[in-house]
Amino acid sequence: DVQLLQSGGGLLQPGGSLRLSCAVSGFTFNTYAMSWVRQAPGEGLEWVSGISGSGDNTYYADSVKGRFTISRDNAKNTLFLQMNSLRADDTAIYYCAKDQSADDPRRFDYWGQGTLVTVSS
Amino acid sequence: DIVMTQSPDSLAVSLGERATINCKSSQSVLYNSNKKNYLAWYQHKPGQPPKLLFYWAFTRESGVPDRFSASGSGTDFTLTISSLLAEDVAVYYCQQYYSTPPTFGQGTRVEIK
Repeated sequence: DVQLLQSGGGLLQPGGSLRLSCAVSGFTFNTYAMSWVRQAPGEGLEWVSGISGSGDNTYYADSVKGRFTISRDNAKNTLFLQMNSLRADDTAIYYCAKDQSADDPRRFDYWGQGTLVTVSS
Repeated sequence: DIVMTQSPDSLAVSLGERATINCKSSQSVLYNSNKKNYLAWYQHKPGQPPKLLFYWAFTRESGVPDRFSASGSGTDFTLTISSLLAEDVAVYYCQQYYSTPPTFGQGTRVEIK
């Protein structure tokens, strides 16, 4: 069975940093792109960042470009999101998601359980 | 970025009745070279991650009940639940993957009347 197990998250002050992790199993990790998608309180879904299966190509939403960094360790079947210079409007549930494609972010067929990131002073 | 607009924002339907959700993209998501619409639908229940229902506009994901159907092309798409069950209460999202960034509609909340 495909599983995506997230860790990280918590309460941080504005300007702080945090790294989210997503450990996967049940599929050949390095052949699929992965993404992070978030949902702010009371809001809809927002794609945040994506990375190709090889890790060579990364993609970011304008709202996080220059502050967040997506990466993956294909040897350890783990996806990461390094979040720096956090702002109050980054407060959200963050989901990792497996793509059905190998390269650029497309459509997401498996999702992690979600992890809450709260940015507040 | 392609803007996805869903209608209505919410709807209340009696058990066993039909629910219809519309989704409109600000530009066509039909790729002419392969004649595929780069459009997906998701179901999102409280406390759970989203679930992929359809991709390529109307290709049903494995395990999705056939009371769910999807249609449309170009800029206009529809998700239909033919006979609503209590377990279908959720927020439904359309999402385009024609261009990066992938973008979601604002969501349509389906409730029981």
